[in-house]
Amino acid sequence: EDKVVQSPLSLVVHEGDTVTLNCSYEVTNFRSLLWYKQEKKAPTFLFMLTSSGIEKKSGRLSSILDKKELFSILNITATQTGDSAIYLCAFTTEAGTALIFGKGTTLSVSS
Amino acid sequence: DAMVIQNPRYQVTQFGKPVTLSCSQTLNHNVMYWYQQKSSQAPKLLFHYYDKDFNNEADTPDNFQSRRPNTSFCFLDIRSPGLGDAAMYLCATSRDIGSRGEQFFGPGTRLTVL
Repeated sequence: EDKVVQSPLSLVVHEGDTVTLNCSYEVTNFRSLLWYKQEKKAPTFLFMLTSSGIEKKSGRLSSILDKKELFSILNITATQTGDSAIYLCAFTTEAGTALIFGKGTTLSVSS
Repeated sequence: DAMVIQNPRYQVTQFGKPVTLSCSQTLNHNVMYWYQQKSSQAPKLLFHYYDKDFNNEADTPDNFQSRRPNTSFCFLDIRSPGLGDAAMYLCATSRDIGSRGEQFFGPGTRLTVL
């Protein structure tokens, strides 16, 4: 059965800290891995990763995929209180249509 | 701005009373999805439409139905809501199956069942 595991489940940091969120997966016919940020509303898209070793970057956020070791990380540098959210990792397969989500990492950034 | 719109944002219904949630999109995307997200859980796909073709997930209860009368609109019907159906319901779209990785989500409808 395809699955995705995120760690840690929750994390509390101070403003200015750097955090690394982990996502590991076991997927048949993997196509892509995606990161979403969810505040008190629907998830918003952050990154889609399909190739190993190529870092995607957007401002203070970056992510990379390792298809050999079957994991991805999401880095947030110089965290701000506005980064407080649930970060969801999801994947798609060649066969399926849906995003299969992990349970998320709840990040709390205190000032 | 092109977007995914869900109405209502909050819906309260009684146990067993049918309810319909609405989703519309101005993105002209071919694929529309309905997800159920319960508290502290990840979104779970219920079904999707690829154009007019309906695709039900194997574990979606029969209590949940969907209609897509045209490209822009998609409805989620819950025939007899139970207390366990209280959740956030998310509608999402993608341009097509090939680009399904990038799904655009609506703001969600939070359903309360009394």
